[in-house]
This record gives sequence, structure tokens and C-alpha cells, in this order.
Amino acid sequence: DTGVSQDPRHKITKRGQNVTFRCDPISEHNRLYWYRQTLGQGPEFLTYFQNEAQLEKSRLLSDRFSAERPKGSFSTLEIQRTEQGDSAMYLCASSLEVGETQYFGPGTRLLVL
Amino acid sequence: DQQVKQNSPSLSVQEGRISILNCDYTNSMFDYFLWYKKYPAEGPTFLISISSIKDKNEDGRFTVFLNKSAKHLSLHIVPSQPGDSAVYFCAAIPGGSQGNLIFGKGTKLSVKP
Repeated sequence: DTGVSQDPRHKITKRGQNVTFRCDPISEHNRLYWYRQTLGQGPEFLTYFQNEAQLEKSRLLSDRFSAERPKGSFSTLEIQRTEQGDSAMYLCASSLEVGETQYFGPGTRLLVL
Repeated sequence: DQQVKQNSPSLSVQEGRISILNCDYTNSMFDYFLWYKKYPAEGPTFLISISSIKDKNEDGRFTVFLNKSAKHLSLHIVPSQPGDSAVYFCAAIPGGSQGNLIFGKGTKLSVKP
């Protein structure tokens, strides 16, 4: 068990560009969550998947954000037309099932210039 | 409106003494509470959890106490060690939800040798 991994760890982009992040959950974990953390705040829920199905999206997830988990394994989070307000740490977590402990990856730190 | 509140941004404790981190919540529908620890540039690491039907859970040096009538929980670390220096997040799961965590803003604990 290698834990949750995320790639890249850091991303610097210019405003208006598109970015994509990847999350590899712990194998056999059916649940995958995306959170966002800004400076001085706790992580905030964005969306989650049960296997390949995206079951809930937060109001924080604007139309510029899209997430996929095509085969129920890894997931991608894409941000289109990035804005400076998108600068944050994007965290991925996985759990075996609902109600089970969520294990977090190291996060992807995004800086939009 | 912050549903999970950690009112102390920071706490400094001497090595070997007890650290007490506090958390208040407003939503009486929360039925599961967790504490996570976070080092810089890493994702949150699960520490300990407690169900709303219990008032205490202990795991080694870590004990979480839950006072439902006061909507308050606390994490006790005894004895504190310099390696415990990190940001501690309190998180809650609403009953009937799909498991997405609601976090407080965190408390930065510094344990001095």
C-alpha cells in the first residue's frame, strides 16, 4: 500500500491557462474525494466519486472545474481559464467506503500568476 | 458560516506536558468527528476519530473527548513531543451525508524541547 499520490506536486501557470491534476488513490478504495485548501483555512470539499460515478459537487466547483475518474481508479481535476483566485492546495483523499477514514495525498499546490 | 470552529490559531507547549486542542461545532447533525495532523507541504494525516455515540476515544498518547451537549470536542496529547509540532485540524461528518468532511481552520501546535 503506497498511499494516495498526486501529480504534480507544484504547478505555476498564467491566468487564463488550463491545468490538470492527477490523483491515484489507495488501490481498492472505492471513494475518492477532492478538496481545496487556501491559506489559513481548512480543506474545503469540492467533489467525490463512488467508483467512476461523480455523485456530489460543491458550490465551490464552478463551471470551469471538471473532474473525472474514468475507470474507477485514478482521477483528474481540470481547471479551465484559471484565475488568480484558483491559487490553492488541491488535495485528494480516498476511502474504502462511505464512513470509512479518508486518507489524503500530499496535494498539488497551484499558483496562478 | 463556519460549522466547525477552532478558535485558537496557535498553541505552544513544553515537551512532556499535555497539549489540549479544542474544537466547537454548530451542527447537531454531525455524527462523526475526526482529528487530522498536517505538516508543511504534506497532506493531512488521520490521527483519531470519535462517533457521536461515544464521549471518549483513546489511542496511545492521543485522546479525543466529545461533549455533545456543549457541541465541543478536544484532543489531548500526553506527553507532547517535538515531533507533534504541526497544524491540527478538527473535522466532522454530517449524519446522512456521503462522507465529505467539514474542517475547522486548524490550530498550529508548537512543542518546545
